[in-house]
Amino acid sequence: GENVEQHPSTLSVQEGDSAVIKCTYSDSASNYFPWYKQELGKRPQLIIDIRSNVGEKKDQRIAVTLNKTAKHFSLHITETQPEDSAVYFCAASRNTGKLIFGQGTTLQVKP
Amino acid sequence: DADVTQTPRNRITKTGKRIMLECSQTKGHDRMYWYRQDPGLGLRLIYYSFDVKDINKGEISDGYSVSRQAQAKFSLSLESAIPNQTALYFCATRAESNYGYTFGSGTRLTVV
Repeated sequence: GENVEQHPSTLSVQEGDSAVIKCTYSDSASNYFPWYKQELGKRPQLIIDIRSNVGEKKDQRIAVTLNKTAKHFSLHITETQPEDSAVYFCAASRNTGKLIFGQGTTLQVKP
Repeated sequence: DADVTQTPRNRITKTGKRIMLECSQTKGHDRMYWYRQDPGLGLRLIYYSFDVKDINKGEISDGYSVSRQAQAKFSLSLESAIPNQTALYFCATRAESNYGYTFGSGTRLTVV
């Protein structure tokens, strides 16, 4: 069945360093790849997304890259700040169908 | 953000009891979803609905049922709750023409 694998499960970085989270998906028909940030005790919030006709997308300090051939996509956060500390989820879907989520990555940014 | 409202926010129930979690939305979205969140397992899809007459099972539907009472309301029921259904439950909505989900605030359910 459809599956999304996410790594690492935990990531600790020093403030100002970069953080990279990677995901692999199994359904080759997937064409939409969002990333969600979930702060402690709150709901997941969409932070960036990419569609399969684009290889990279940036929004200030965050960027997402997609390799359709390898079925990989990654989240890159530069110049990390303590407020970036949260759980991050990747997901994949076909068009506007159901999202399949990865297992989540807990990012800790140390001041 | 009160666009997607879940009730209750927290609930403790006993093994074997029937419980209903409710979700209502004011976004006018056709598509509604129920997920459960467990540490280390991410968000797993329980059921989803593309309109009032269209209900679909997700990857972990056993032990759960749903009802789409109206476009704006989608309820999740545990017919006979068991301890391993203890989790954080999220409702989400999506427009047919828009790719992004809007999540509710979640319901933290504990089965003792």
